[in-house]
Amino acid sequence: QSALTQPASVSGSPGQSITISCTGSSSDVGGYNYVSWYQHHPGKAPKLMIYDVSVRPSGVSNRFSGSKSGNAASLTISGLQAEDEADYYCSSYAGSSTLVFGGGTKVTV
Amino acid sequence: QLQLQESGPGLVKPSETLSLTCTVSGGSIRGSSYYWGWIRQPPKKGLEWIGNIYYTGTTYSNPSLKSRVTISLDTSKNQISLKLSPVTAADTAVYYCARVPPRGWGDWHFDLWGRGTLVTVSS
Repeated sequence: QSALTQPASVSGSPGQSITISCTGSSSDVGGYNYVSWYQHHPGKAPKLMIYDVSVRPSGVSNRFSGSKSGNAASLTISGLQAEDEADYYCSSYAGSSTLVFGGGTKVTV
Repeated sequence: QLQLQESGPGLVKPSETLSLTCTVSGGSIRGSSYYWGWIRQPPKKGLEWIGNIYYTGTTYSNPSLKSRVTISLDTSKNQISLKLSPVTAADTAVYYCARVPPRGWGDWHFDLWGRGTLVTVSS
């Protein structure tokens, strides 16, 4: 069970859009539509931003969207704001009753 | 509003047992159809799933940790516990507990998290 691959960092200017990739395999990301994304401001509790590839929980801004193609999932943040600066992690069901996270991406605005 | 709070010793000696408790307030874990999970984050590293427990007591663990992990529920105290033994310096991390809403099998996402507690393994 290997961690999902995310870029270490992504940056953008206020108002721009950025996309964070999350690459796995046919055993995890590609095999199930159970990819979720979390926002983590250091020292605080992580926050669920997207689940089931593209579903936004109630209360999450519609500036956040998720998608998947093959063994790779993506989180797009549009209209980037200063408050979006945080670490972002993807996660996927990996079969056999296991879960795997990505290594995390630091977003800088 | 439901809240999760992790607690336990901040320092554990190598080869000993790490024991943490997650106290749920604002709601009861008894009879709820939720899973409860433990996740950790070593310093300067990403998140790592440790394991989940269903309200029935059935547990699921990361294969890399399975032989050392015990997760249990204490419904009388509204708590979820984690034991990891024996520990090494590699187990130094912030440990989080989190809730998994009842959905389809494998649809394990964490919709509510605690703020985490730092555990350092050192002699």
